Formats: sequence, C-alpha cells, structure tokens
Amino acid sequence: SQQGEEDPQALSIQEGENATMNCSYKTSINNLQWYRQNSGRGLVHLILIRSNEREKHSGRLRVTLDTSKKSSSLLITASRAADTASYFCATVIGGANSKLTFGKGITLSVRP
Amino acid sequence: SQTIHQWPATLVQPVGSPLSLECTVEGTSNPNLYWYRQAAGRGLQLLFYSVGIGQISSEVPQNLSASRPQDRQFILSSKKLLLSDSGFYLCAWSGGKKGSYEQYFGPGTRLTVT
Repeated sequence: SQQGEEDPQALSIQEGENATMNCSYKTSINNLQWYRQNSGRGLVHLILIRSNEREKHSGRLRVTLDTSKKSSSLLITASRAADTASYFCATVIGGANSKLTFGKGITLSVRP
Repeated sequence: SQTIHQWPATLVQPVGSPLSLECTVEGTSNPNLYWYRQAAGRGLQLLFYSVGIGQISSEVPQNLSASRPQDRQFILSSKKLLLSDSGFYLCAWSGGKKGSYEQYFGPGTRLTVT
C-alpha cells in the first residue's frame, strides 16, 4: 500500500491563483519531500521538511507538516503556466541512506 | 556540479528480447543509486537500489536485474522482456556532498515492449 497519498488527484486553476496540494501518510517519518515532474521528464526535488519542522518556505512554495495528522500540504502561490506538472510527495522513514516512498502524484494544470 | 545521465532516451523492443539501460552520475563519489519504474499516470515504483559497488538490493521480484560495475554507473538489465516491462524508467542518486535524503533524477528512458 502507498505510504504517501496525495489529493486531489488532479487540480486545474487559473494563472495567478494559489494551488494547494495535500499528502497523507501512514507511519511515522523522518522527513517528507515534494517533487515536481514535467511531462515525460525526470523528477525535480522541490523541498524537504523534517519531522520536527512545521512549516518551510522556498520562493513561491510553502510546505506544512502536521505529524499528529500524518499529513502535509504544498502551497504554490501566484501560480504560473510553467507550474503545470505532476507533483509527488515522498516520505523517508529511516535514517541516512533510507529509501523514499512516493505517492501517486497530483496533476496540476495552470491555465494562462 | 553533479549531473546524471541516462540512455537511451526511448527504446522499442520486442517481447523476449534483452534489455540494458545505463545510468551514470558525474560530480560526486559513492552515491546511492536507484532504479524506478513509472507506469502511465502512476507513481514511482522502486525497483533496485545500491549503496556501493556490487551492492544491489531488489525491491520487487521480477525478470529485471541491476548491476553496479563502477561507483557511478548503474545498469538495469533483462534477459527476456515482457509486455508488462513497458514503462518510464528513472535512475536517481542521493548522498555524497548533497546529503542522504534528497534524490536527483535522470531524464528517464521510455521503454515500449511490443
């Protein structure tokens, strides 16, 4: 079964709007990461949030983590057409050199 | 800076034919290396990972195998492809100077088995 599950599965918004994507997981984690994948390309690491952190920012990205609810959210502010991509959350359970477990991803479409 | 290469970019192979996909990493030493498969519209399935030369861990039993003949080279192979082997294959690395948690992905190989 998936450790991380994102919702919604697909999201369509207008350019300039904010996009919020959610991820839930089942077991305690060391950290949670978000990745972006443009169509037909490899994944790009966006941001990592550790289990003892509650919020993290990187440019237009804001990630929150609620370990009591075992959930995370990724907020993209002032979206652009170039943000159109699939977004995946991935969890790490163990320590260094541990594996990532990916969710199925969210398809974000930003209409110009 | 670190870069990761995969080839070929696309591949069409008949059922029963062999497979060899190659992944190389530049600019780092002793990376952890990973092979993933992504079916259409799905998430990533970890196939193999390696923490060092000759050290391969398999996540899913199947007709694929992996080898790491050099520190920064990771090869995915099959002796006889099945239709179900079609998919998008991604190589990734982690560790070295970048730390052990974030993974950095190659551009992928689109494999179609006919």
